[in-house]
Amino acid sequence: DVKVTQSSRYLVKRTGEKVFLECVQDMDHENMFWYRQDPGLGLRLIYFSYDVKMKEKGDIPEGYSVSREKKERFSLILESASTNQTSMYLCASRIDRGNSPLHFGNGTRLTVT
Amino acid sequence: AQSVTQPDIHITVSEGASLELRCNYSYGATPYLFWYVQSPGQGLQLLLKYFSGDTLVQGIKGFEAEFKRSQSSFNLRKPSVHWSDAAEYFCAVVGSYNTDKLIFGTGTRLQVFP
Repeated sequence: DVKVTQSSRYLVKRTGEKVFLECVQDMDHENMFWYRQDPGLGLRLIYFSYDVKMKEKGDIPEGYSVSREKKERFSLILESASTNQTSMYLCASRIDRGNSPLHFGNGTRLTVT
Repeated sequence: AQSVTQPDIHITVSEGASLELRCNYSYGATPYLFWYVQSPGQGLQLLLKYFSGDTLVQGIKGFEAEFKRSQSSFNLRKPSVHWSDAAEYFCAVVGSYNTDKLIFGTGTRLQVFP
């Protein structure tokens, strides 16, 4: 089974802090994704990556950046956290592009105070 | 642009009753369609997917979905709901304009009464 591991289940950070959310997958998947999930809005794509050192903006990239230095790890960075970034963050991976399904981690609930 | 609509925000059913969750998509050609389930405190798990061929697809946990091109729908069904099916359900589509992006609906929360 594919395992996608997000390093923290819960995080509480202060406004203005730099925040790192880490995600690791163990199946040599090419593609990795970061979504945020908010009630009534479903999942919205922040950034995704086709391969190491490659990244593409999703639908809501503002205020975020990403890093993919190794194939198995995809980090989401909040350069200066704000209260409107309080949300559930979900990482996902899939084997390659196209119609292969996504495999999700259990999520990180981030609260910015 | 591709989009997915789940018109029901919240559905309540009794255990043992049948279930149908609605999903409508907007896309010109044949889409790739998925249903995911999210249990409380968990990530999303794939229930089933449709790419081509037989329009009735079977998934895990006794779920099935039917692709109807004429109605742009991909509704999820289960003949007899169990209390453990209480969760949030998401429909998603991948379009060929950009096959890298999976577009999700806003979800339907299912509550099951004993």
